[in-house]
Amino acid sequence: EAGVAQSPRYKIIEKRQSVAFWCNPISGHATLYWYQQILGQGPKLLIQFQNNGVVDDSQLPKDRFSAERLKGVDSTLKIQPAKLEDSAVYLCASIPMGGRTEAFFGQGTRLTVV
Amino acid sequence: AQKITQTQPGMFVQEKEAVTLDCTYDTSDQSYGLFWYKQPSSGEMIFLIYQGSYDEQNATEGRYSLNFQKARKSANLVISASQLGDSAMYFCAMREPQNTGNQFYFGTGTSLTVIP
Repeated sequence: EAGVAQSPRYKIIEKRQSVAFWCNPISGHATLYWYQQILGQGPKLLIQFQNNGVVDDSQLPKDRFSAERLKGVDSTLKIQPAKLEDSAVYLCASIPMGGRTEAFFGQGTRLTVV
Repeated sequence: AQKITQTQPGMFVQEKEAVTLDCTYDTSDQSYGLFWYKQPSSGEMIFLIYQGSYDEQNATEGRYSLNFQKARKSANLVISASQLGDSAMYFCAMREPQNTGNQFYFGTGTSLTVIP
């Protein structure tokens, strides 16, 4: 079974530029999460999708961050314009409906804003 | 309020000794899941162990066991016979049930260092 795929693995941009991250969850997983993990901290939930609908985006800075999950499969997270404090690892995770399963994580995208 | 609290920012343990990493959680749901993940310096999140809220026995997976005290809302991870490769960040997480959105929350983590 293929895991959660994320790209790119690394990205360096200047402040005020825009950037996009892509995530393809495990096939059949209805729920998809985007987390922001600042160095030395725990993952912070940015947005959660169930199929192609948003379940929770209460911590997403909507003035600069946007995310979509068209067709309920892969997802894109965008930052525009980026700030220095957006430097972090962006993790995508997915889980199937129900059951006792854990969240499956991708390798993450390490963003550096200079 | 924090859903998951990990009060130990850093822990040290001698190789081959056991160590307990603390985790408390906050939920009003009766059905929930508790998880522990390991994150080495390479960055990947590695699932270690799961405990369901209705499970009567503490979960065990090899050298990992979860000390689940439901009334105290605690889910401590016990690592027995520590190895140098156990040095990493450890995160406690909780999954709340499907009918309230399947939210998945993480604590702030504990950095474990195993000393030779």
